[in-house]
Amino acid sequence: DAGITQSPRHKVTETGTPVTLRCHQTENHRYMYWYRQDPGHGLRLIHYSYGVKDTDKGEVSDGYSVSRSKTEDFLLTLESATSSQTSVYFCAISDGDRTEAFFGQGTRLTVV
Amino acid sequence: RKEVEQDPGPFNVPEGATVAFNCTYSNSASQSFFWYRQDCRKEPKLLMSVYSSGNEDGRFTAQLNRASQYISLLIRDSKLSDSATYLCVVPQAGTALIFGKGTTLSVSS
Repeated sequence: DAGITQSPRHKVTETGTPVTLRCHQTENHRYMYWYRQDPGHGLRLIHYSYGVKDTDKGEVSDGYSVSRSKTEDFLLTLESATSSQTSVYFCAISDGDRTEAFFGQGTRLTVV
Repeated sequence: RKEVEQDPGPFNVPEGATVAFNCTYSNSASQSFFWYRQDCRKEPKLLMSVYSSGNEDGRFTAQLNRASQYISLLIRDSKLSDSATYLCVVPQAGTALIFGKGTTLSVSS
């Protein structure tokens, strides 16, 4: 299995608090992605990175920010968590923009 | 037309059946395609890659039809363990991986 670790795996937080999710890879892959998955919506891209300090928005980026200060880490921050951000968050990595991606085990976030 | 579309199903089939799913895509310039399998509450895992006309791996066959812009996944001799959601992925050059919403397969004994 690809070396991808997401932390935390589970989190419950209160509305209005900031939350940071971490994705760590040991594969030295250039691309990293954050997706959220909700019933009826499938996997939706939040943000992605194509290199250190190079990031771009996905289709559901509002309320989220990301940072990538080194190749192995990609952080997702919910600036002020809302109940609509309750979801399962997956990180993925790939070594090219048209190659297969490998996923972390996911983070289950509940905003109460 | 959405970038990647899949029939959500569910497809309910008995063991031993042959079942096929289709995935349509809108970007005619796409060169590579992937099928992923996702079990309930787990991360998606790569099942097959398709770079030319198709690919075969045991009971699984993926075919690409560029003229009609769809890829298909055929599963022969279905097993109970094939029950999962199957996701179609079409990478977009210079952007990110776009996933279909997935097709749910339930194989019963």
